[in-house]
Amino acid sequence: GAVVSQHPSRVICKSGTSVKIECRSLDFQATTMFWYRQFPKKSLMLMATSNEGSKATYEQGVEKDKFLINHASLTLSTLTVTSAHPEDSSFYICSARGLAGSFYEQYFGPGTRLTVT
Amino acid sequence: RKEVEQDPGPFNVPEGATVAFNCTYSNSASQSFFWYRQDCRKEPKLLMSVYSSGNEDGRFTAQLNRASQYISLLIRDSKLSDSATYLCVVEHGGATNKLIFGTGTLLAVQP
Repeated sequence: GAVVSQHPSRVICKSGTSVKIECRSLDFQATTMFWYRQFPKKSLMLMATSNEGSKATYEQGVEKDKFLINHASLTLSTLTVTSAHPEDSSFYICSARGLAGSFYEQYFGPGTRLTVT
Repeated sequence: RKEVEQDPGPFNVPEGATVAFNCTYSNSASQSFFWYRQDCRKEPKLLMSVYSSGNEDGRFTAQLNRASQYISLLIRDSKLSDSATYLCVVEHGGATNKLIFGTGTLLAVQP
């Protein structure tokens, strides 16, 4: 199946710093990419949806100025957590939607575990 | 009320048992339905899509009842490797095709 990579897989940073997470679709063009966040023992919560070349659409309650999303190409989207605080510590997962044969499918990256100290 | 609701479990079952998970969704406009599996500290992986006619994949059977907005997953002959969290997922149609995840049901298969 299609592969989506995320980098870094794990990051520990100090409070107040910014962290950038990359999401790449390795063998297909992703028309849409999604960013999710998952707190321990909770479900995945959609943060935002981004289409290549346009502004991301954020879910209610997600601060667009804090979570900057760039989707500059059909294979790369980035999420920047600005001025991170301990409550931003979470598992961030991206997914990419693209054409697989005759159908659109959504593939998940392996996730990035962010710890803010 | 959450858009996708599941019993969080845990379901502790012996090897070889049959176990069933249920899920309800609130948005009647939802178009597609899935079961995902998530292992501890890993990303979710698609287990199977769910169709109105019901569908089976080996030991796994999924059913959808659109009238009741209810989805189920049946696992027969449980294996130790089936231990994971099972996520009920609903897809919105339209321009965004957002996936909405349930909180998941934890399954622990005991030897």
